[in-house]
Amino acid sequence: GNSVTQMEGPVTLSEEAFLTINCTYTATGYPSLFWYVQYPGEGLQLLLKATKADDKGSNKGFEATYRKETTSFHLEKGSVQVSDSAVYFCALRGGTSGSRLTFGEGTQLTVNP
Amino acid sequence: EPEVTQTPSHQVTQMGQEVILRCVPISNHLYFYWYRQILGQKVEFLVSFYNNEISEKSEIFDDQFSVERPDGSNFTLKIRSTKLEDSAMYFCASRAGTPYSPLHFGNGTRLTVT
Repeated sequence: GNSVTQMEGPVTLSEEAFLTINCTYTATGYPSLFWYVQYPGEGLQLLLKATKADDKGSNKGFEATYRKETTSFHLEKGSVQVSDSAVYFCALRGGTSGSRLTFGEGTQLTVNP
Repeated sequence: EPEVTQTPSHQVTQMGQEVILRCVPISNHLYFYWYRQILGQKVEFLVSFYNNEISEKSEIFDDQFSVERPDGSNFTLKIRSTKLEDSAMYFCASRAGTPYSPLHFGNGTRLTVT
């Protein structure tokens, strides 16, 4: 079946540091890939997505590129802010899993001033 | 921007009691979902619903669980006889009918079974 693996957390950075959160997946077929963000006390919000190989999703300064050859979808941001502190979830949909989303473990990001 | 809304935000119940978690999906969406997140664990798929019937369910979604769309706006998850291990955050989600449309999530209902 489908699965998503995220880098172990939590991650603590200083403001303006570079962020990378690794995500790799296992799936058959051609899944769509997503990053969701969960701010404290809130639900899951779609951050960005990519639907085919080599697509780059981007939003709010965050980027991730769908790499089929390495089955990865790493999240990056060049300069993080305190307001980026949240839990980030990598997810995939499609392949053998139909329309359901399969989530990674989530990575807690804390950005200090 | 349209939102998925869930009520209540927090529900406390005793073991063995029935609970109904309520969701109002985005109005023109066609696919509806329930997910749960046990504290400190992954977000897990429970069930998807389309065209007034369950389209997919996970092994977690056993006979204790049921879903219903009683009218044109609400989407409910019922747990018939709650167990301690049902304590979790339950998220409702919906999406449009177009391919690759993303899921939109509500803020969740925290269920505590005592």
